[in-house]
Amino acid sequence: ETGVTQSPTHLIKTRGQQVTLRCSSQSGHNTVSWYQQALGQGPQFIFQYYREEENGRGNFPPRFSGLQFPNYSSELNVNALELDDSALYLCASSLQGADGYTFGSGTRLTVV
Amino acid sequence: SQQGEEDPQALSIQEGENATMNCSYKTSINNLQWYRQNSGRGLVHLILIRSNEREKHSGRLRVTLDTSKKSSSLLITASRAADTASYFCATDARGAQKLVFGQGTRLTINP
Repeated sequence: ETGVTQSPTHLIKTRGQQVTLRCSSQSGHNTVSWYQQALGQGPQFIFQYYREEENGRGNFPPRFSGLQFPNYSSELNVNALELDDSALYLCASSLQGADGYTFGSGTRLTVV
Repeated sequence: SQQGEEDPQALSIQEGENATMNCSYKTSINNLQWYRQNSGRGLVHLILIRSNEREKHSGRLRVTLDTSKKSSSLLITASRAADTASYFCATDARGAQKLVFGQGTRLTINP
């Protein structure tokens, strides 16, 4: 049974650029959630995808968007990057209707 | 915004001592979960306690939940240097489709 895999592990982007982060969900899971964790803070919910559709969204602007694919993997896209987007981005997979989430190791995004 | 408040924000103890961290939250929940995070890496799930449970054990971990006070505590017994990490509580509200995290407690175990 494989866990949650995120890529890349680290990324440096320039303000105004666009970025795509990727997540492969754990085997048997059909739901993917994305979280943003600023330095010294707890993770904040960005959105969740289930059946390839957004299934809940946190307080993030529309330039944060996502996709879920038929194999349940997911992408997080951020347009027009801002310095405050620098953070650890965490992906978590789960099975809809069941308790428990499995988190990946995260992607550290630095915007300069 | 964060749902929970964790107390203390930082805790430093000697190896072998017990560590207690507290978490308070604001809304009704389905369950509450505790996670560990080493040096800004991914979150490792430690234990989940459901709203109808009051106490749960897993190895050296003991979690309590008081839904009337909207609070939980995590006790780590006989601490080890490898327990040094940040610990987060997260609440899962019914139908919310998300976890809401506290700010975390930074635990340092001194050898």
